[in-house]
Amino acid sequence: AQSVTQPDIHITVSEGASLELRCNYSYGATPYLFWYVQSPGQGLQLLLKYFSGDTLVQGIKGFEAEFKRSQSSFNLRKPSVHWSDAAEYFCAVGASRGSARQLTFGSGTQLTVLP
Amino acid sequence: GAVVSQHPSRVICKSGTSVKIECRSLDFQATTMFWYRQFPKQSLMLMATSNEGSKATYEQGVEKDKFLINHASLTLSTLTVTSAHPEDSSFYICSAPRDLTNEKLFFGSGTQLSVL
Repeated sequence: AQSVTQPDIHITVSEGASLELRCNYSYGATPYLFWYVQSPGQGLQLLLKYFSGDTLVQGIKGFEAEFKRSQSSFNLRKPSVHWSDAAEYFCAVGASRGSARQLTFGSGTQLTVLP
Repeated sequence: GAVVSQHPSRVICKSGTSVKIECRSLDFQATTMFWYRQFPKQSLMLMATSNEGSKATYEQGVEKDKFLINHASLTLSTLTVTSAHPEDSSFYICSAPRDLTNEKLFFGSGTQLSVL
């Protein structure tokens, strides 16, 4: 069975600082990996995804993530955090590209940005 | 872009009453929608897949009679929590795929249910 672990429940960074959110997955085959962001009162929004190819993927809002098969990780990064990035971030793994039903989500990381 | 609207955003009800949550796809048709439940500091857990014109598919351990799902049109799915009890208090989220891939999955803003 697939699973996702986000080790950090809550992270606080200062505005302008760099950010890295950790995500580790467990899946027997090639994983399909996603990062979503949820702002208060809003739905989850897709930041980026990895299906194959280049292991460094670029997303919206200046985010990027790197797939490292040897470490079973898909960490999310941003060079300089903005106050508007404060939100909850979810990593997810999909069993296949063709089935939205088969997404497994991590428990989320709450990001606080200090002025 | 595509938007999924979920209503209400928050509901408080008495134990024993039923609560209906609506999920609408606003600018696309969705033959399938998904309902999730999320406990504080935990993952989104898929409860069921709502299928337009047919019965919903429930995940293992989810009570069909407790969580009634109706997908009456191509843009609307409803989740009714019947005879709600305090243990049903949770955050419920719906999603709808523009197609059946993971790439175009749009989420509602969630409903916080509190059962007194």
